Amino acid sequence: NAGVTQTPKFRVLKTGQSMTLLCAQDMNHEYMYWYRQDPGMGLRLIHYSVGEGTTAKGEVPDGYNVSRLKKQNFLLGLESAAPSQTSVYFCATQLVGGPIEQYFGPGTRLTVT
Amino acid sequence: DQQVKQNSPSLSVQEGRISILNCDYTNSMFDYFLWYKKYPAEGPTFLISISSIKDKNEDGRFTVFLNKSAKHLSLHIVPSQPGDSAVYFCAASYRFSSGSARQLTFGSGTQLTVLP
Repeated sequence: NAGVTQTPKFRVLKTGQSMTLLCAQDMNHEYMYWYRQDPGMGLRLIHYSVGEGTTAKGEVPDGYNVSRLKKQNFLLGLESAAPSQTSVYFCATQLVGGPIEQYFGPGTRLTVT
Repeated sequence: DQQVKQNSPSLSVQEGRISILNCDYTNSMFDYFLWYKKYPAEGPTFLISISSIKDKNEDGRFTVFLNKSAKHLSLHIVPSQPGDSAVYFCAASYRFSSGSARQLTFGSGTQLTVLP
């Protein structure tokens, strides 16, 4: 089992470009989350999904969109990248009705120049 | 306004001694607290959690203590090992309004270095 995987691992974008980050899981978890981590700060929740076809905003949603067309995949989109979106992005999953911990992917390091 | 604070950015401990990592929170709505460990270029890994109705939870070398009146929790690692060297994040959790999906609010982390 791969657990939670994220694609790509690294990416450099120019300001104004767009891209999509993919999170894939084989754990059959209903809940999925996108976080960003900036230097000297904890992880902050961008968006989350409680199931296929549903998404909701987290703490820092501006500038991002998400989609959950399939249960195993959660996509994070940046329509027009800005330098303030330079960060490490982590995806996480959680089992419905199970333990409260979330399981994290390895992260995507994004630099916007 | 940071709801979860880890005031020590770093901690160095000798191998075999106790490591104590601290965390403070402000929001009384949090009902679970978790500790995650993170190595460079990897995602956070869950370590241990505690419910707000308990004051202690133990798992092997790791013990978490919760003092609700002080809004303070700590992670004790005994004995510390070089492989424990990592960044440790404290996180506080509450349930979103419906279902069991949860908001995790993280502290800024403490870099633990265990010296051989």
